[in-house]
Amino acid sequence: TQLLEQSPQFLSIQEGENLTVYCNSSSVFSSLQWYRQEPGEGPVLLVTVVTGGEVKKLKRLTFQFGDARKDSSLHITAAQPGDTGLYLCAGAPGAGSYQLTFGKGTKLSVIP
Amino acid sequence: EAQVTQNPRYLITVTGKKLTVTCSQNMNHEYMSWYRQDPGLGLRQIYYSMNVEVTDKGDVPEGYKVSRKEKRNFPLILESPSPNQTSLYFCASHFTQNTEAFFGQGTRLTVV
Repeated sequence: TQLLEQSPQFLSIQEGENLTVYCNSSSVFSSLQWYRQEPGEGPVLLVTVVTGGEVKKLKRLTFQFGDARKDSSLHITAAQPGDTGLYLCAGAPGAGSYQLTFGKGTKLSVIP
Repeated sequence: EAQVTQNPRYLITVTGKKLTVTCSQNMNHEYMSWYRQDPGLGLRQIYYSMNVEVTDKGDVPEGYKVSRKEKRNFPLILESPSPNQTSLYFCASHFTQNTEAFFGQGTRLTVV
Protein backbone atom coordinates (compact mmCIF):
# COMPACT_ATOMS: atom_id res chain seq x y z
CA THR A 1 0.00 0.00 0.00
CA GLN A 2 1.29 3.44 -0.93
CA LEU A 3 1.53 5.94 1.94
CA LEU A 4 0.56 9.60 2.01
CA GLU A 5 2.01 11.74 4.78
CA GLN A 6 0.03 14.83 5.64
CA SER A 7 1.35 17.73 7.68
CA PRO A 8 0.67 19.37 9.94
CA GLN A 9 -1.74 17.08 11.75
CA PHE A 10 -3.33 19.97 13.65
CA LEU A 11 -3.41 23.67 12.83
CA SER A 12 -5.03 26.46 14.82
CA ILE A 13 -4.84 29.95 13.36
CA GLN A 14 -6.47 33.35 13.64
CA GLU A 15 -8.99 34.54 11.07
CA GLY A 16 -7.24 36.31 8.20
CA GLU A 17 -4.00 34.33 8.38
CA ASN A 18 -2.63 32.22 5.54
CA LEU A 19 -1.77 28.55 5.84
CA THR A 20 -0.40 25.64 3.83
CA VAL A 21 -1.09 21.94 4.25
CA TYR A 22 1.27 19.39 2.73
CA CYS A 23 0.71 15.90 1.37
CA ASN A 24 3.84 13.89 0.58
CA SER A 25 4.69 10.43 -0.66
CA SER A 26 7.61 8.49 -2.06
CA SER A 27 5.25 6.99 -4.63
CA VAL A 28 3.87 8.40 -7.85
CA PHE A 29 0.12 8.92 -8.12
CA SER A 30 -1.94 9.21 -11.29
CA SER A 31 -4.07 11.84 -9.58
CA LEU A 32 -4.53 13.39 -6.19
CA GLN A 33 -7.74 14.53 -4.59
CA TRP A 34 -8.39 16.90 -1.70
CA TYR A 35 -11.43 16.45 0.51
CA ARG A 36 -12.90 18.40 3.40
CA GLN A 37 -14.80 16.68 6.18
CA GLU A 38 -17.13 18.29 8.71
CA PRO A 39 -17.81 16.60 12.07
CA GLY A 40 -20.40 13.86 11.73
CA GLU A 41 -20.32 13.91 7.94
CA GLY A 42 -18.53 12.13 5.15
CA PRO A 43 -15.67 13.76 3.22
CA VAL A 44 -16.63 16.00 0.32
CA LEU A 45 -14.38 16.52 -2.68
CA LEU A 46 -12.75 19.93 -3.10
CA VAL A 47 -10.54 19.32 -6.14
CA THR A 48 -8.73 16.70 -8.22
CA VAL A 49 -5.28 17.38 -9.69
CA VAL A 50 -4.03 15.14 -12.44
CA THR A 51 -1.06 16.69 -14.24
CA GLY A 52 2.38 17.16 -12.68
CA GLY A 53 2.85 20.85 -11.82
CA GLU A 54 -0.86 21.56 -12.07
CA VAL A 55 -2.27 24.42 -10.02
CA LYS A 56 -5.99 24.78 -9.33
CA LYS A 57 -7.75 27.58 -7.51
CA LEU A 58 -11.03 27.40 -5.68
CA LYS A 59 -11.79 30.91 -4.35
CA ARG A 60 -9.24 31.38 -1.53
CA LEU A 61 -7.90 27.82 -1.80
CA THR A 62 -4.96 27.00 -4.09
CA PHE A 63 -4.02 23.40 -4.80
CA GLN A 64 -0.76 22.30 -6.40
CA PHE A 65 0.39 18.92 -7.66
CA GLY A 66 4.14 18.34 -7.60
CA ASP A 67 6.03 18.02 -10.86
CA ALA A 68 6.85 14.39 -10.10
CA ARG A 69 3.26 13.68 -8.98
CA LYS A 70 4.46 12.52 -5.56
CA ASP A 71 3.30 15.46 -3.48
CA SER A 72 0.66 18.13 -3.25
CA SER A 73 -0.13 21.22 -1.23
CA LEU A 74 -3.20 23.17 -0.23
CA HIS A 75 -2.80 26.87 0.50
CA ILE A 76 -5.58 28.91 2.07
CA THR A 77 -5.39 32.69 1.88
CA ALA A 78 -7.05 34.83 4.53
CA ALA A 79 -8.61 31.91 6.39
CA GLN A 80 -12.20 32.26 7.58
CA PRO A 81 -13.97 30.43 10.45
CA GLY A 82 -15.98 28.62 7.79
CA ASP A 83 -12.75 26.95 6.62
CA THR A 84 -12.62 24.99 9.87
CA GLY A 85 -12.66 21.24 9.27
CA LEU A 86 -10.61 18.16 8.51
CA TYR A 87 -8.70 18.31 5.22
CA LEU A 88 -7.78 15.01 3.61
CA CYS A 89 -5.61 14.24 0.62
CA ALA A 90 -6.14 11.02 -1.32
CA GLY A 91 -3.98 9.49 -4.03
CA ALA A 92 -5.00 7.25 -6.91
CA PRO A 93 -2.12 4.89 -7.80
CA GLY A 94 -2.91 4.38 -11.48
CA ALA A 95 -4.02 1.79 -13.98
CA GLY A 96 -4.74 -1.63 -12.55
CA SER A 97 -5.21 -0.46 -8.99
CA TYR A 98 -8.51 0.54 -7.50
CA GLN A 99 -7.33 1.60 -4.06
CA LEU A 100 -7.61 5.25 -3.14
CA THR A 101 -5.02 5.94 -0.44
CA PHE A 102 -5.86 8.63 2.13
CA GLY A 103 -3.57 10.74 4.25
CA LYS A 104 -4.42 10.95 7.96
CA GLY A 105 -5.74 14.46 7.60
CA THR A 106 -5.10 17.96 8.86
CA LYS A 107 -7.51 19.31 11.43
CA LEU A 108 -7.84 23.05 10.89
CA SER A 109 -9.38 25.45 13.38
CA VAL A 110 -9.80 29.08 12.38
CA ILE A 111 -10.44 31.30 15.38
CA PRO A 112 -12.58 34.42 14.84
CA GLU B 1 -30.02 14.01 -6.04
CA ALA B 2 -26.78 12.02 -6.28
CA GLN B 3 -26.17 10.32 -2.99
CA VAL B 4 -24.76 7.42 -1.04
CA THR B 5 -27.04 6.22 1.73
CA GLN B 6 -25.78 4.27 4.72
CA ASN B 7 -27.86 2.71 7.45
CA PRO B 8 -27.90 2.79 10.35
CA ARG B 9 -26.20 6.07 11.34
CA TYR B 10 -25.56 4.85 14.87
CA LEU B 11 -25.35 1.32 16.23
CA ILE B 12 -24.44 -0.11 19.61
CA THR B 13 -24.11 -3.87 19.74
CA VAL B 14 -22.59 -6.62 21.84
CA THR B 15 -19.56 -8.72 21.07
CA GLY B 16 -20.32 -11.63 18.76
CA LYS B 17 -23.74 -10.51 17.51
CA LYS B 18 -23.73 -10.47 13.71
CA LEU B 19 -24.62 -7.17 12.08
CA THR B 20 -24.92 -5.65 8.63
CA VAL B 21 -24.41 -2.04 7.62
CA THR B 22 -26.16 -1.24 4.36
CA CYS B 23 -24.91 1.08 1.63
CA SER B 24 -26.74 2.14 -1.49
CA GLN B 25 -25.81 4.56 -4.29
CA ASN B 26 -28.02 6.03 -7.01
CA MET B 27 -25.30 7.17 -9.45
CA ASN B 28 -24.75 3.89 -11.31
CA HIS B 29 -21.13 3.89 -10.15
CA GLU B 30 -19.08 0.76 -10.71
CA TYR B 31 -16.63 1.32 -7.85
CA MET B 32 -17.67 1.13 -4.22
CA SER B 33 -15.58 0.95 -1.06
CA TRP B 34 -15.85 0.66 2.70
CA TYR B 35 -13.57 2.62 5.02
CA ARG B 36 -13.16 2.90 8.73
CA GLN B 37 -11.99 6.13 10.35
CA ASP B 38 -10.19 6.10 13.67
CA PRO B 39 -8.46 8.95 15.56
CA GLY B 40 -4.82 9.18 14.60
CA LEU B 41 -5.16 6.51 11.91
CA GLY B 42 -7.23 8.33 9.32
CA LEU B 43 -9.40 6.61 6.72
CA ARG B 44 -8.42 3.02 6.06
CA GLN B 45 -9.96 0.94 3.31
CA ILE B 46 -11.64 -2.30 4.39
CA TYR B 47 -12.93 -3.73 1.13
CA TYR B 48 -13.64 -2.43 -2.34
CA SER B 49 -15.63 -3.57 -5.33
CA MET B 50 -14.98 -2.87 -8.99
CA ASN B 51 -18.34 -4.19 -10.19
CA VAL B 52 -21.10 -6.68 -9.46
CA GLU B 53 -19.67 -9.88 -7.97
CA VAL B 54 -16.13 -8.43 -8.01
CA THR B 55 -14.68 -7.52 -4.63
CA ASP B 56 -11.21 -7.36 -3.12
CA LYS B 57 -9.56 -6.74 0.22
CA GLY B 58 -8.36 -3.34 1.24
CA ASP B 59 -5.84 -2.57 3.95
CA VAL B 60 -7.81 -3.80 7.00
CA PRO B 61 -10.20 -6.59 5.89
CA GLU B 62 -9.92 -8.89 8.93
CA GLY B 63 -13.26 -9.44 10.64
CA TYR B 64 -15.34 -8.05 7.78
CA LYS B 65 -17.22 -9.43 4.79
CA VAL B 66 -18.85 -7.72 1.84
CA SER B 67 -21.05 -8.68 -1.07
CA ARG B 68 -21.97 -6.96 -4.34
CA LYS B 69 -24.98 -8.73 -5.79
CA GLU B 70 -26.40 -5.56 -7.32
CA LYS B 71 -24.59 -2.53 -8.67
CA ARG B 72 -26.24 -0.09 -6.30
CA ASN B 73 -25.76 -1.99 -3.03
CA PHE B 74 -22.61 -2.88 -1.12
CA PRO B 75 -23.37 -4.11 2.41
CA LEU B 76 -20.69 -4.52 5.07
CA ILE B 77 -21.08 -7.58 7.27
CA LEU B 78 -19.51 -8.17 10.66
CA GLU B 79 -20.06 -11.85 11.42
CA SER B 80 -18.76 -11.70 14.99
CA PRO B 81 -18.07 -8.09 16.01
CA SER B 82 -15.39 -7.36 18.59
CA PRO B 83 -14.66 -4.18 20.58
CA ASN B 84 -11.69 -3.32 18.31
CA GLN B 85 -14.20 -2.85 15.50
CA THR B 86 -15.69 0.13 17.30
CA SER B 87 -15.20 2.89 14.75
CA LEU B 88 -16.77 5.33 12.30
CA TYR B 89 -17.52 3.59 9.02
CA PHE B 90 -17.95 5.19 5.61
CA CYS B 91 -19.19 3.78 2.35
CA ALA B 92 -18.08 5.50 -0.86
CA SER B 93 -18.75 5.15 -4.55
CA HIS B 94 -17.09 6.63 -7.61
CA PHE B 95 -17.18 6.27 -11.37
CA THR B 96 -13.46 5.58 -11.74
CA GLN B 97 -10.56 5.72 -9.31
CA ASN B 98 -9.58 9.17 -10.59
CA THR B 99 -13.00 10.71 -10.23
CA GLU B 100 -14.75 12.10 -7.20
CA ALA B 101 -15.58 9.64 -4.43
CA PHE B 102 -19.02 10.24 -2.97
CA PHE B 103 -19.26 9.30 0.68
CA GLY B 104 -22.20 8.30 2.80
CA GLN B 105 -22.88 10.11 6.06
CA GLY B 106 -21.16 7.46 8.12
CA THR B 107 -22.13 4.79 10.63
CA ARG B 108 -20.83 5.12 14.14
CA LEU B 109 -20.51 1.59 15.51
CA THR B 110 -19.84 0.75 19.14
CA VAL B 111 -19.18 -2.86 20.12
CA VAL B 112 -19.36 -3.54 23.86
